[in-house]
Amino acid sequence: GESVGLHLPTLSVQEGDNSIINCAYSNSASDYFIWYKQESGKGPQFIIDIRSNMDKRQGQRVTVLLNKTVKHLSLQIAATQPGDSAVYFCAENLAMNRDDKIIFGKGTRLHILP
Amino acid sequence: EPEVTQTPSHQVTQMGQEVILRCVPISNHLYFYWYRQILGQKVEFLVSFYNNEISEKSEIFDDQFSVERPDGSNFTLKIRSTKLEDSAMYFCASRRSRRLQNIQYFGAGTRLSVL
Repeated sequence: GESVGLHLPTLSVQEGDNSIINCAYSNSASDYFIWYKQESGKGPQFIIDIRSNMDKRQGQRVTVLLNKTVKHLSLQIAATQPGDSAVYFCAENLAMNRDDKIIFGKGTRLHILP
Repeated sequence: EPEVTQTPSHQVTQMGQEVILRCVPISNHLYFYWYRQILGQKVEFLVSFYNNEISEKSEIFDDQFSVERPDGSNFTLKIRSTKLEDSAMYFCASRRSRRLQNIQYFGAGTRLSVL
């Protein structure tokens, strides 16, 4: 079925350290994944995406890893900054199918400690 | 940078009243969406809209909900008779095309409080 979930609800990281946020999905037919960041009082903001034919994709300070064997997705944030404090959602987009809605997971709150 | 604009930022209403939440999607986008987020929970899909008709709707989007694109710029969500459980953040999103990796951009949301 359609299910995107997260392993940990909260994560605290020292400023400057790297962080890893994990996500599991259950639909083996999923072919596109997105990470969104949501700051307090704001809407979800796109961070990075990855297609199922890739296992790694890098952006500015962020890397997404996809392990299709175990249906696992992770977001790595390098050299974390105070502005990285937010809730991070992994999401699934079934854009190759008729519908193109985004299915969000529950979210992980990332705290950057000074 | 273009953005999705939502008004009002906060809407307070009495149970049973009608509310209209407004959105101005990014100007060259063709696909429009509404999502909601109950406090502390995940963002849930409500409805998608393209070419002046609903493409898909979720179980949440019952007969009390409707969407409309009344002109070339606005996209509205109407709740006819609000219930307490409709209290949530409502997010509008837009997307340029349905090609894979065409990003959905979200507005800042409207907080709906039903009393």
